[in-house]
Amino acid sequence: KQEVTQIPAALSVPEGENLVLNCSFTDSAIYNLQWFRQDPGKGLTSLLLIQSSQREQTSGRLNASLDKSSGRSTLYIAASQPGDSATYLCAVRDSSYKLIFGSGTRLLVRP
Amino acid sequence: DTGVSQDPRHKITKRGQNVTFRCDPISEHNRLYWYRQTLGQGPEFLTYFQNEAQLEKSRLLSDRFSAERPKGSFSTLEIQRTEQGDSAMYLCASSPRSASGSFGYEQFFGPGTRLTVL
Repeated sequence: KQEVTQIPAALSVPEGENLVLNCSFTDSAIYNLQWFRQDPGKGLTSLLLIQSSQREQTSGRLNASLDKSSGRSTLYIAASQPGDSATYLCAVRDSSYKLIFGSGTRLLVRP
Repeated sequence: DTGVSQDPRHKITKRGQNVTFRCDPISEHNRLYWYRQTLGQGPEFLTYFQNEAQLEKSRLLSDRFSAERPKGSFSTLEIQRTEQGDSAMYLCASSPRSASGSFGYEQFFGPGTRLTVL
């Protein structure tokens, strides 16, 4: 059974710092991995999608990497801003169509 | 707005009542998903449609839950005889038709319906 773990559960950093969020999964037979952002009480916003054949994806200040063999992904946020404060969720998709989510990392960027 | 929409955004009900939620996917997305999210946790899969066919159901979807997607467009999720444990955010997502042999398309989520059962 696929399990997704995100570390740390919470993170507080000063504005301007570069940071890394971690995601690990137990079964390397995935089709893709998605990183999402969720603001309090809101839905999920897709940030990056990495296909199983890809190693990384970039969008603006965000860079996500994928190492299928070791069951790991990282989300790198450069030059963090207070507006980046949110919960970040990673999810993997296996042979079915459903996403399996981690519990998220709650990020606070202090001005 | 061409994103996934959900209605209502908030629902407060008394235990034992029935509730129904609606999801309108992104136009021409043939796959539609329902997830449930409780406080402090990631979303959990409930069920999935490809066009009008319900292809997978989670064990979380007890017999009090039923989902439909008539005509392969919008979907409804009904909960009968609600219980306090049903209180959660119910999220809907859709994804486009994939190229043959490809499973890699993104899922796009709606704003969710927050259910509170008193």
